[in-house]
Amino acid sequence: DIVMTQSPDSLAVSLGERATINCKSSQSVLYSSNNKNYLAWYQQKAGQPPKLLIYWASTRESGVPDRFSGSGSGTDFTLTISSLQAEDVAVYYCQQYYSPPRTFGGGTTVEIK
Amino acid sequence: QVQLQQSGPGLVKPSQTLSLTCAISGDSVSSNSATWNWIRQSPSRGLEWLGRTYYRSKWYNDYAVSVKSRITINPDTSKNQFSLQLNSVTPEDTAVYYCARGSPLAAAGPHDYWGQGTLVTVSS
Repeated sequence: DIVMTQSPDSLAVSLGERATINCKSSQSVLYSSNNKNYLAWYQQKAGQPPKLLIYWASTRESGVPDRFSGSGSGTDFTLTISSLQAEDVAVYYCQQYYSPPRTFGGGTTVEIK
Repeated sequence: QVQLQQSGPGLVKPSQTLSLTCAISGDSVSSNSATWNWIRQSPSRGLEWLGRTYYRSKWYNDYAVSVKSRITINPDTSKNQFSLQLNSVTPEDTAVYYCARGSPLAAAGPHDYWGQGTLVTVSS
């Protein structure tokens, strides 16, 4: 199985400041035939199911604010919230969909400082 | 707009079978591009993908190795839904269970729509 490791486990950021979350996969999730990274980011608020934010490592899902961005390739990925808003308090997960089983990172809790 | 509505009991006795259903609206369980998944979440195991069913001229299933001997996911085309059965449950199977669609974006797309979640507790 591909192991997904996120860091940090939690972070506290002031409103309007940048939040950065890292995700590392134990093997590359870049599919060479189409040059796509099979990596997604989800946001989970308390009591709700996860919500897809980003797929192909950097493509925002429809309706997701542009303060959310994804970057990286191969085994190292980053989710950035450029200007943290109160409604962004949540747990964020990365997931690889390169090969079964689809594995998730352990999550990063984002709070307001 | 795709919606997934889960149903099923929230309490199951040890050694019995956990059964949940996910009703689909806005898409078809027989879609030739989406997949239909079950995922669970617990404090000890985090988010854990359990398995999926999908139709590509015929029906296929994939299951996580951790539950492969105990799990069945079945489509029900007459009701446009799919189900999860997990046999011989133990307290370690206590979790919030989600159904989710695998996006048609790719043969194995990310999960773009989720059910509301069902907390299943395994206890006598």
